[in-house]
Amino acid sequence: EDQVTQSPEALRLQEGESSSLNCSYTVSGLRGLFWYRQDPGKGPEFLFTLYSAGEEKEKERLKATLTKKESFLHITAPKPEDSATYLCAGEPFNDYKLSFGAGTTVTVRA
Amino acid sequence: DTAVSQTPKYLVTQMGNDKSIKCEQNLGHDTMYWYKQDSKKFLKIMFSYNNKELIINETVPNRFSPKSPDKAHLNLHINSLELGDSAVYFCASSQDGTGRGGYTFGSGTRLTVV
Repeated sequence: EDQVTQSPEALRLQEGESSSLNCSYTVSGLRGLFWYRQDPGKGPEFLFTLYSAGEEKEKERLKATLTKKESFLHITAPKPEDSATYLCAGEPFNDYKLSFGAGTTVTVRA
Repeated sequence: DTAVSQTPKYLVTQMGNDKSIKCEQNLGHDTMYWYKQDSKKFLKIMFSYNNKELIINETVPNRFSPKSPDKAHLNLHINSLELGDSAVYFCASSQDGTGRGGYTFGSGTRLTVV
């Protein structure tokens, strides 16, 4: 069964303190690896899709990378507004659905 | 102008009742989904429709019945509600079912069964 595991569960950072979130997956025939941001009381907001090992994508202070077994979301010099839960999800080639991890809740203190 | 809108946002109801959640997308996407987010924050797919045709039907009690009157709408009807149905239900859409460009989610419906 497809499985996505995220670590750590929670991350508390000081403003400006860079860090990385991990997403490891066992999705047979991965078509794409997705990163989402979810704020309390809201739906997940799309950040990135990565399709092949070695691929990198950036958006403001966020950079996502992909290897054959895991993906990382790097947060560089975070600000309080980066506080959210970050969700990772895998989509297999043979199916049109996402398998989500449980998320990493990031809290950035000023 | 909300891309994927769900109503209601909150739903509190008694066990045994029947309720519906409505979803509409104005993105012109072909595929729509229902996901359930439990108390541990896991999002799990329930159903998917592509152009009004059911293409994914996960192991969900048959008390849950989706209906897609057209490709812009996907509603979820739940019969004989149980305490364990309490969760946040998200509607989502994608361009062609493959997720290129991302899946767009609604803001969720928090269902509480008492």
